[in-house]
Amino acid sequence: NAGVTQTPKFQVLKTGQSMTLQCAQDMNHEYMSWYRQDPGMGLRLIHYSVGAGITDQGEVPNGYNVSRSTTEDFPLRLLSAAPSQTSVYFCASKGIGGYTFGSGTRLTVV
Amino acid sequence: GENVEQHPSTLSVQEGDSAVIKCTYSDSASNYFPWYKQELGKGPQLIIDIRSNVGEKKDQRIAVTLNKTAKHFSLHITETQPEDSAVYFCAADYGQNFVFGPGTRLSVLP
Repeated sequence: NAGVTQTPKFQVLKTGQSMTLQCAQDMNHEYMSWYRQDPGMGLRLIHYSVGAGITDQGEVPNGYNVSRSTTEDFPLRLLSAAPSQTSVYFCASKGIGGYTFGSGTRLTVV
Repeated sequence: GENVEQHPSTLSVQEGDSAVIKCTYSDSASNYFPWYKQELGKGPQLIIDIRSNVGEKKDQRIAVTLNKTAKHFSLHITETQPEDSAVYFCAADYGQNFVFGPGTRLSVLP
């Protein structure tokens, strides 16, 4: 049982480039979410989804897009990367036992 | 709005001593309070949780207490060991999403 799988683990982007962070879960959880983690600020919610075809904004959605075409996958898109988006990104799914987090993607925007 | 405060931000204890981390939340509608442990380079992992219908829950060396009237909950680790060194996050469940505290970096000194 893999849980929540995130790729890539590390990424360096130039300002203005676009990319997609991948997230997949194999627990058949309806709820999935993306967080960013910055020093001293804990985990801040970017976007979340309560099921396939349904997404909503969290606390810090600007600069990010999401879609949910299947229960398993919840990719996060950066359309035009900015240095302020340098962070560690975590995908999580929620089931009866609470949140299960992926191992994170460390993104640096130069 | 929804907010979770967490103190202290850093905590150093001698091996074998106890550690206590405290959180407060703002919305009395929350009924579920999990604690997560994040080791270096990994995603947060659930270590214990408590629901609003109980005041205390224990799991070996870890315990969580909840005071719903005061909107406080705390994590207690007894007989600390070097492997307890990590960042700990508290959270409150506000329906669809969790709101996380900013984290506590615990260092257990040998």
